[in-house]
Amino acid sequence: DQQVKQNSPSLSVQEGRISILNCDYTNSMFDYFLWYKKYPAEGPTFLISISSIKDKNEDGRFTVFLNKSAKHLSLHIVPSQPGDSAVYFCAASPMDSNYQLIWGAGTKLIIKP
Amino acid sequence: DTEVTQTPKHLVMGMTNKKSLKCEQHMGHRAMYWYKQKAKKPPELMFVYSYEKLSINESVPSRFSPECPNSSLLNLHLHALQPEDSALYLCASSQDRGGGRTNQETQYFGPGTRLLVL
Repeated sequence: DQQVKQNSPSLSVQEGRISILNCDYTNSMFDYFLWYKKYPAEGPTFLISISSIKDKNEDGRFTVFLNKSAKHLSLHIVPSQPGDSAVYFCAASPMDSNYQLIWGAGTKLIIKP
Repeated sequence: DTEVTQTPKHLVMGMTNKKSLKCEQHMGHRAMYWYKQKAKKPPELMFVYSYEKLSINESVPSRFSPECPNSSLLNLHLHALQPEDSALYLCASSQDRGGGRTNQETQYFGPGTRLLVL
């Protein structure tokens, strides 16, 4: 049972345009959501997070939107840059669990010059 | 500073060898984690230490043995591994404000150790 789903295995976006990565979840007990970026053979790098009491969080070029009624979150990157090409993981933290992160399968983002 | 360091970067070992992976953080974090990641998959949690005590062991085989000598260091001792244990081993840390609840804390990952078991 996949509680966190990233349905797009890959996404290709033109440099300078907006990249939108999507994530759906099924467990209403999740209260904290994170996005990580990962290059091959490296550890995930934390990008941005959002608490379930908010619907938007912004940090520079990165904005995360949370729609609790739809159990959906999205990461917007604007403008997209070549260095943004990586795999992006969505992760969720259950309110009743210590230290657990439930991960999506990842979306590979390719920024075309 | 959100840096977690790991050594070695790469490790090749035979199935009869004993080796150790090391992780260090100086952010004052009190929770430290070991994850295993296979190619094109998300990280899988192996162990969690909270305030230097083992808090979670995700049914990991005993050929993996974690150790937390102090609040900044985390080791993973490896013995009699199998080829299917080849993977990227990731260390992470988070603040852990105590009370057993992470209070929506972020985990910060190290660069990983690429392990190959022959």
